[in-house]
Amino acid sequence: GEDVEQSLFLSVREGDSSVINCTYTDSSSTYLYWYKQEPGAGLQLLTYIFSNMDMKQDQRLTVLLNKKDKHLSLRIADTQTGDSAIYFCAETDVDSSYKLIFGSGTRLLVRP
Amino acid sequence: GAGVSQSPSNKVTEKGKDVELRCDPISGHTALYWYRQSLGQGLEFLIYFQGNSAPDKSGLPSDRFSAERTGGSVSTLTIQRTQQEDSAVYLCASSPSGPGGRGYTFGSGTRLTVV
Repeated sequence: GEDVEQSLFLSVREGDSSVINCTYTDSSSTYLYWYKQEPGAGLQLLTYIFSNMDMKQDQRLTVLLNKKDKHLSLRIADTQTGDSAIYFCAETDVDSSYKLIFGSGTRLLVRP
Repeated sequence: GAGVSQSPSNKVTEKGKDVELRCDPISGHTALYWYRQSLGQGLEFLIYFQGNSAPDKSGLPSDRFSAERTGGSVSTLTIQRTQQEDSAVYLCASSPSGPGGRGYTFGSGTRLTVV
């Protein structure tokens, strides 16, 4: 079945760039997503990329998609303390397009 | 409503009791989803509603779990005879139809603790 893998933890200094990586198994996924979860809150959609794209930029966020390697990354430029959260990668399930398959999340800690 | 609303936000219950978790999706969203987030884990799919019907219940962990949706709106997730392993955050999400390019909109979740 589908599986989405992420590293568990990333620590960066305020002002640096953060890169959060994700690998997925289903090359037929239509969309891939990045969600952000702050403590005690639900998941907030940050950005998404359609599978026929290689890159998408949205203000401080850059998403890179390497379909050959099934690798997705989220780069946050000029990381701020407010960016500290858990970031989830998700893909659409090719057999059930309504369903999203989530990774276990990467906890980003931004040090002042 | 403006967002997905879940209640209660926190629930502590004794082992063996039944609990009901409520989700009020965004008005007009026909698709509604329940996911479970256990400590340190990703999100586990439970059930999908399209309107009032549930074409995919494959993620419900056991027959102690059930869910319904009425009026194409509010959904209730019921857990009977709760066990300690049911302790988790239960997240509800909705979308206009499928996730598409907008993904889901999530509620803030219900944190269930079974003691």
